[in-house]
Amino acid sequence: DQQVKQNSPSLSVQEGRISILNCDYTNSMFDYFLWYKKYPAEGPTFLISISSIKDKNEDGRFTVFLNKSAKHLSLHIVPSQPGDSAVYFCAAGGSQGNLIFGKGTKLSVKP
Amino acid sequence: GAVVSQHPSWVICKSGTSVKIECRSLDFQATTMFWYRQFPKQSLMLMATSNEGSKATYEQGVEKDKFLINHASLTLSTLTVTSAHPEDSSFYICSAPRLAGGPTHSHRTQYFGPGTRLTVL
Repeated sequence: DQQVKQNSPSLSVQEGRISILNCDYTNSMFDYFLWYKKYPAEGPTFLISISSIKDKNEDGRFTVFLNKSAKHLSLHIVPSQPGDSAVYFCAAGGSQGNLIFGKGTKLSVKP
Repeated sequence: GAVVSQHPSWVICKSGTSVKIECRSLDFQATTMFWYRQFPKQSLMLMATSNEGSKATYEQGVEKDKFLINHASLTLSTLTVTSAHPEDSSFYICSAPRLAGGPTHSHRTQYFGPGTRLTVL
C-alpha cells in the first residue's frame, strides 16, 4: 500500500501562472516532508521541505503547504517558468531517516 | 550547499561481471546513506540503508548478496552489483541525509547524487 501518493501523473500549466502539485500521505508518524525536482537521467534536486510542526514554508517562487488533518501537502510554484518543467516527487520522512517517495508528477510549463 | 557525488555516472558491462558504484558526501559527513533504484517512468525505490561501521539494512525483496554495500568512511558508501544480469540494468541513485532548517527548528533532508546509469549487456 502506498504511503505517499501523487494522484496526478502529469500537469500542464501556462508560463506565468501558478502550478499546484498535490501529495497525500497515510502515515501520521511522518515528521517531515520534502519536494524534489528531477530531470531524466539525473538525481533528484532538493527544492523545499517542511516540518510536521509547520503548515507553510516559502522559498522564493516555491511554497509548500501542509494540512496534517487531511494528510495532504501541496507545492505551489508561482510564477511558473518553462525551466520548471520536470518531474516533481513528494517525499515523506520519519525518525529512521529514510524517505518514502510518491510516484511523481510531470509538470510541463508552456511558453 | 551540500553536494553528493557518484561515480561512475554511467557504466556498461557484460552479464556476469560485477560493478562498483561509489557515493561520496563532499562537504559533510554522513553516518547513513541510502541507495535507490529507479526504473523508467517509475518512482525511486529504496534498496538499502548504508550504515557506517555496521551492516547495511536491506529493504524487502532486495538480495543482499547481489547488492553488496560497504560504508567505508563517513563520506563514502559503495554499492557493488555482483554477477550483473540484464534485469539489473537501471538507474541507481544514492543520497545522504543532513540537517536543514532555520534557528527555530531543524529537520533532516536528503541530498541526492547525480545517479549512475547501469546497462548490463
